[in-house]
Amino acid sequence: NAGVTQTPKFRVLKTGQSMTLLCAQDMNHEYMYWYRQDPGMGLRLIHYSVGEGTTAKGEVPDGYNVSRLKKQNFLLGLESAAPSQTSVYFCASTPVRTGKNEQFFGPGTRLTVL
Amino acid sequence: AQTVTQSQPEMSVQEAETVTLSCTYDTSESDYYLFWYKQPPSRQMILVIRQEAYKQQNATENRFSVNFQKAAKSFSLKISDSQLGDAAMYFCAYRSAQGGSEKLVFGKGTKLTVNP
Repeated sequence: NAGVTQTPKFRVLKTGQSMTLLCAQDMNHEYMYWYRQDPGMGLRLIHYSVGEGTTAKGEVPDGYNVSRLKKQNFLLGLESAAPSQTSVYFCASTPVRTGKNEQFFGPGTRLTVL
Repeated sequence: AQTVTQSQPEMSVQEAETVTLSCTYDTSESDYYLFWYKQPPSRQMILVIRQEAYKQQNATENRFSVNFQKAAKSFSLKISDSQLGDAAMYFCAYRSAQGGSEKLVFGKGTKLTVNP
Protein backbone atom coordinates (compact mmCIF):
# COMPACT_ATOMS: atom_id res chain seq x y z
CA ASN A 1 0.00 0.00 0.00
CA ALA A 2 1.20 3.48 -0.86
CA GLY A 3 -0.83 4.98 2.01
CA VAL A 4 -1.53 8.68 1.48
CA THR A 5 0.17 10.36 -1.46
CA GLN A 6 0.21 14.01 -2.47
CA THR A 7 0.89 15.62 -5.81
CA PRO A 8 2.93 17.76 -6.35
CA LYS A 9 5.57 17.85 -3.61
CA PHE A 10 6.68 21.39 -4.41
CA ARG A 11 5.15 24.24 -6.35
CA VAL A 12 5.84 27.92 -6.92
CA LEU A 13 2.97 30.14 -8.05
CA LYS A 14 2.60 33.78 -8.89
CA THR A 15 -0.07 35.81 -7.18
CA GLY A 16 -3.40 35.29 -8.90
CA GLN A 17 -2.57 31.92 -10.45
CA SER A 18 -4.65 28.89 -9.73
CA MET A 19 -3.71 25.31 -8.94
CA THR A 20 -5.04 22.05 -7.60
CA LEU A 21 -3.36 19.79 -5.07
CA LEU A 22 -4.22 16.12 -5.32
CA CYS A 23 -4.43 13.74 -2.39
CA ALA A 24 -4.91 10.03 -2.92
CA GLN A 25 -5.27 7.19 -0.42
CA ASP A 26 -5.47 3.46 -1.03
CA MET A 27 -6.66 2.40 2.42
CA ASN A 28 -10.39 2.72 1.70
CA HIS A 29 -10.71 5.42 4.36
CA GLU A 30 -13.95 7.35 4.62
CA TYR A 31 -12.60 10.57 6.09
CA MET A 32 -10.08 12.85 4.45
CA TYR A 33 -8.60 16.19 5.52
CA TRP A 34 -6.54 19.08 4.26
CA TYR A 35 -4.31 20.96 6.72
CA ARG A 36 -1.88 23.79 6.34
CA GLN A 37 1.25 24.16 8.44
CA ASP A 38 2.85 27.52 9.04
CA PRO A 39 5.87 28.25 11.25
CA GLY A 40 4.84 28.53 14.89
CA MET A 41 1.21 27.72 14.10
CA GLY A 42 1.00 23.96 14.12
CA LEU A 43 -1.43 22.29 11.71
CA ARG A 44 -4.72 23.99 10.98
CA LEU A 45 -7.66 22.32 9.28
CA ILE A 46 -8.72 23.84 5.97
CA HIS A 47 -11.49 21.52 4.73
CA TYR A 48 -12.46 17.96 5.31
CA SER A 49 -14.71 15.24 3.92
CA VAL A 50 -16.59 12.49 5.73
CA GLY A 51 -17.35 10.57 2.55
CA GLU A 52 -17.51 10.60 -1.21
CA GLY A 53 -19.41 13.60 -2.47
CA THR A 54 -19.32 15.48 0.85
CA THR A 55 -17.11 18.32 2.03
CA ALA A 56 -17.11 20.70 4.97
CA LYS A 57 -15.20 23.76 6.14
CA GLY A 58 -12.52 23.60 8.75
CA GLU A 59 -10.79 26.30 10.73
CA VAL A 60 -9.20 28.27 7.85
CA PRO A 61 -11.26 27.64 4.67
CA ASP A 62 -11.11 31.07 3.01
CA GLY A 63 -9.43 31.09 -0.39
CA TYR A 64 -9.67 27.33 -0.86
CA ASN A 65 -12.14 24.93 -2.41
CA VAL A 66 -12.25 21.15 -2.27
CA SER A 67 -13.89 18.24 -4.02
CA ARG A 68 -14.29 14.55 -3.22
CA LEU A 69 -15.68 13.00 -6.38
CA LYS A 70 -14.06 9.65 -5.67
CA LYS A 71 -13.62 8.04 -2.30
CA GLN A 72 -9.88 7.69 -2.71
CA ASN A 73 -9.19 11.26 -3.87
CA PHE A 74 -9.49 14.63 -2.18
CA LEU A 75 -8.60 17.73 -4.19
CA LEU A 76 -7.67 21.12 -2.78
CA GLY A 77 -7.99 24.09 -5.12
CA LEU A 78 -6.65 27.60 -4.97
CA GLU A 79 -8.55 29.76 -7.46
CA SER A 80 -6.46 32.91 -7.09
CA ALA A 81 -3.32 32.31 -5.08
CA ALA A 82 -2.13 34.92 -2.57
CA PRO A 83 1.22 35.21 -0.75
CA SER A 84 -0.63 34.43 2.51
CA GLN A 85 -1.25 30.94 1.13
CA THR A 86 2.47 30.18 1.13
CA SER A 87 2.59 27.16 3.40
CA VAL A 88 3.12 23.43 3.65
CA TYR A 89 -0.07 21.52 2.92
CA PHE A 90 -0.82 18.12 4.39
CA CYS A 91 -3.51 15.67 3.45
CA ALA A 92 -4.65 13.01 5.91
CA SER A 93 -7.17 10.20 6.04
CA THR A 94 -8.77 8.01 8.66
CA PRO A 95 -11.30 5.19 8.71
CA VAL A 96 -14.93 5.63 9.67
CA ARG A 97 -15.64 5.00 13.35
CA THR A 98 -12.18 6.29 14.04
CA GLY A 99 -12.14 6.00 17.79
CA LYS A 100 -8.57 5.85 18.88
CA ASN A 101 -7.35 5.26 15.35
CA GLU A 102 -4.77 7.66 14.04
CA GLN A 103 -4.96 9.94 11.06
CA PHE A 104 -2.55 8.90 8.33
CA PHE A 105 -0.70 11.78 6.74
CA GLY A 106 0.75 12.34 3.32
CA PRO A 107 4.29 13.68 2.85
CA GLY A 108 3.19 17.28 2.38
CA THR A 109 3.29 19.85 -0.43
CA ARG A 110 5.40 22.96 -0.08
CA LEU A 111 3.68 25.84 -1.87
CA THR A 112 5.27 29.22 -2.39
CA VAL A 113 3.21 32.10 -3.75
CA LEU A 114 5.27 35.02 -5.04
CA ALA B 1 -14.25 24.86 20.71
CA GLN B 2 -11.39 22.76 21.94
CA THR B 3 -7.90 24.20 22.16
CA VAL B 4 -4.51 22.60 22.65
CA THR B 5 -1.56 24.48 24.16
CA GLN B 6 2.08 23.52 24.02
CA SER B 7 3.89 26.05 26.18
CA GLN B 8 7.43 25.06 25.21
CA PRO B 9 8.33 26.21 21.68
CA GLU B 10 11.75 24.58 22.01
CA MET B 11 13.37 22.01 24.26
CA SER B 12 16.76 20.35 24.30
CA VAL B 13 18.08 17.17 25.90
CA GLN B 14 21.34 15.34 26.10
CA GLU B 15 21.55 12.00 24.38
CA ALA B 16 20.52 9.16 26.76
CA GLU B 17 18.77 11.58 29.10
CA THR B 18 15.04 11.98 29.73
CA VAL B 19 12.90 14.89 28.59
CA THR B 20 9.26 15.80 29.14
CA LEU B 21 7.19 17.83 26.69
CA SER B 22 4.12 19.60 28.03
CA CYS B 23 0.62 19.78 26.60
CA THR B 24 -2.57 21.15 28.06
CA TYR B 25 -5.98 21.26 26.46
CA ASP B 26 -9.32 22.85 27.02
CA THR B 27 -12.56 20.94 26.53
CA SER B 28 -15.96 20.53 28.11
CA GLU B 29 -16.25 16.96 26.88
CA SER B 30 -15.66 13.93 29.05
CA ASP B 31 -14.73 11.47 26.33
CA TYR B 32 -11.97 12.16 23.83
CA TYR B 33 -8.64 10.99 22.50
CA LEU B 34 -5.20 12.54 22.75
CA PHE B 35 -2.23 12.00 20.49
CA TRP B 36 1.41 12.91 20.17
CA TYR B 37 2.76 13.17 16.64
CA LYS B 38 6.42 13.50 15.68
CA GLN B 39 7.54 15.47 12.63
CA PRO B 40 11.21 14.94 11.72
CA PRO B 41 12.98 17.12 9.15
CA SER B 42 11.50 14.91 6.42
CA ARG B 43 8.12 16.56 7.26
CA GLN B 44 6.35 13.21 7.59
CA MET B 45 3.86 13.16 10.47
CA ILE B 46 4.38 10.04 12.58
CA LEU B 47 2.13 8.92 15.41
CA VAL B 48 4.13 8.45 18.60
CA ILE B 49 1.51 7.56 21.17
CA ARG B 50 -2.22 7.85 21.86
CA GLN B 51 -4.40 7.98 24.96
CA GLU B 52 -8.08 7.34 25.44
CA ALA B 53 -9.57 9.68 28.03
CA TYR B 54 -11.69 6.98 29.64
CA LYS B 55 -8.57 4.97 30.45
CA GLN B 56 -6.84 5.98 33.66
CA GLN B 57 -3.70 4.04 32.83
CA ASN B 58 -1.05 6.09 31.11
CA ALA B 59 -0.09 4.89 27.63
CA THR B 60 3.45 3.70 26.93
CA GLU B 61 5.25 2.83 23.71
CA ASN B 62 8.79 1.64 24.29
CA ARG B 63 10.79 4.74 25.35
CA PHE B 64 7.75 7.01 25.07
CA SER B 65 5.20 7.41 27.81
CA VAL B 66 2.58 9.95 28.78
CA ASN B 67 1.41 11.50 32.00
CA PHE B 68 -2.32 11.96 31.51
CA GLN B 69 -3.99 14.09 34.16
CA LYS B 70 -7.63 14.33 33.13
CA ALA B 71 -8.75 16.67 35.87
CA ALA B 72 -5.90 19.05 35.12
CA LYS B 73 -6.39 18.60 31.36
CA SER B 74 -2.73 17.82 30.96
CA PHE B 75 -1.08 15.34 28.62
CA SER B 76 2.71 15.41 28.77
CA LEU B 77 5.08 13.22 26.78
CA LYS B 78 8.15 11.69 28.40
CA ILE B 79 10.98 10.45 26.22
CA SER B 80 13.44 8.22 28.02
CA ASP B 81 16.97 7.39 26.89
CA SER B 82 16.79 10.10 24.23
CA GLN B 83 18.35 9.29 20.89
CA LEU B 84 19.60 11.53 18.10
CA GLY B 85 16.74 10.28 15.96
CA ASP B 86 14.24 11.72 18.42
CA ALA B 87 15.12 15.23 17.27
CA ALA B 88 11.96 16.58 15.65
CA MET B 89 8.91 18.76 16.08
CA TYR B 90 6.38 17.19 18.42
CA PHE B 91 2.70 18.00 18.17
CA CYS B 92 0.03 17.29 20.72
CA ALA B 93 -3.45 16.72 19.27
CA TYR B 94 -7.01 16.31 20.55
CA ARG B 95 -9.97 14.55 19.02
CA SER B 96 -13.50 14.44 20.35
CA ALA B 97 -15.10 11.03 20.84
CA GLN B 98 -18.43 12.39 19.66
CA GLY B 99 -19.14 11.07 16.19
CA GLY B 100 -18.91 13.33 13.20
CA SER B 101 -15.84 14.73 11.56
CA GLU B 102 -13.16 13.02 13.66
CA LYS B 103 -11.16 16.24 13.36
CA LEU B 104 -7.83 16.68 15.09
CA VAL B 105 -7.00 19.90 16.91
CA PHE B 106 -3.27 20.47 17.11
CA GLY B 107 -1.04 22.44 19.40
CA LYS B 108 1.62 24.69 17.91
CA GLY B 109 4.38 22.20 18.49
CA THR B 110 7.62 21.83 20.43
CA LYS B 111 10.94 21.59 18.65
CA LEU B 112 13.14 19.01 20.37
CA THR B 113 16.90 19.10 19.93
CA VAL B 114 18.99 16.14 21.05
CA ASN B 115 22.61 16.97 21.85
CA PRO B 116 25.28 14.27 21.47
